[in-house]
Amino acid sequence: AQSVTQLDSQVPVFEEAPVELRCNYSSSVSVYLFWYVQYPNQGLQLLLKYLSGSTLVESINGFEAEFNKSQTSFHLRKPSVHISDTAEYFCAVIRGGGFQKLVFGTGTRLLVSP
Amino acid sequence: KAGVTQTPRYLIKTRGQQVTLSCSPISGHRSVSWYQQTPGQGLQFLFEYFSETQRNKGNFPGRFSGRQFSNSRSEMNVSTLELGDSALYLCASSPGTGQYNEQFFGPGTRLTVL
Repeated sequence: AQSVTQLDSQVPVFEEAPVELRCNYSSSVSVYLFWYVQYPNQGLQLLLKYLSGSTLVESINGFEAEFNKSQTSFHLRKPSVHISDTAEYFCAVIRGGGFQKLVFGTGTRLLVSP
Repeated sequence: KAGVTQTPRYLIKTRGQQVTLSCSPISGHRSVSWYQQTPGQGLQFLFEYFSETQRNKGNFPGRFSGRQFSNSRSEMNVSTLELGDSALYLCASSPGTGQYNEQFFGPGTRLTVL
């Protein structure tokens, strides 16, 4: 069975500083990997996804994540955060070729302060 | 295209009661999945419906049930409510076919059980 580990429950950072949110997964089969963001009192929004191809994927708002198969990681990075990036971030996997059940990590709360 | 809608947005019930939550997927999507989000257990998959049939189910007791109508709208029912059922219930819609289908989440229904 797949599982996802997000080691950091909360990451405080100052505005314009870089940030990395860590995600490790375990699976015996190939997986698709995702980062979702959840703003207060809202549902989940897909931030970026890795399905195949280039191991570096980017979102439209400056986030990027790199799929590292040897380290089974999919860490999320942003070189310069904004106050508006304050939210909870969830890493998730779907087993390749299987049913579309998302398995989520426990989430990382990103707190950006001025 | 309109997004995924969930009604009601907030609900307060007492122990022992039952509740029905509704989800309207994006037009043309045939798959609806339900997830429960709690501070203690995080995001957990409940079940998925595709073309009016339950296609997959998570590890929840039989008090949790659902159905899907011919227009792909889905309802989730929880009977004999317990305090631990207090959660944000999210539904996600996707086309439901193919190797991978992006899931689009609604804003959720926040259920409070007193």
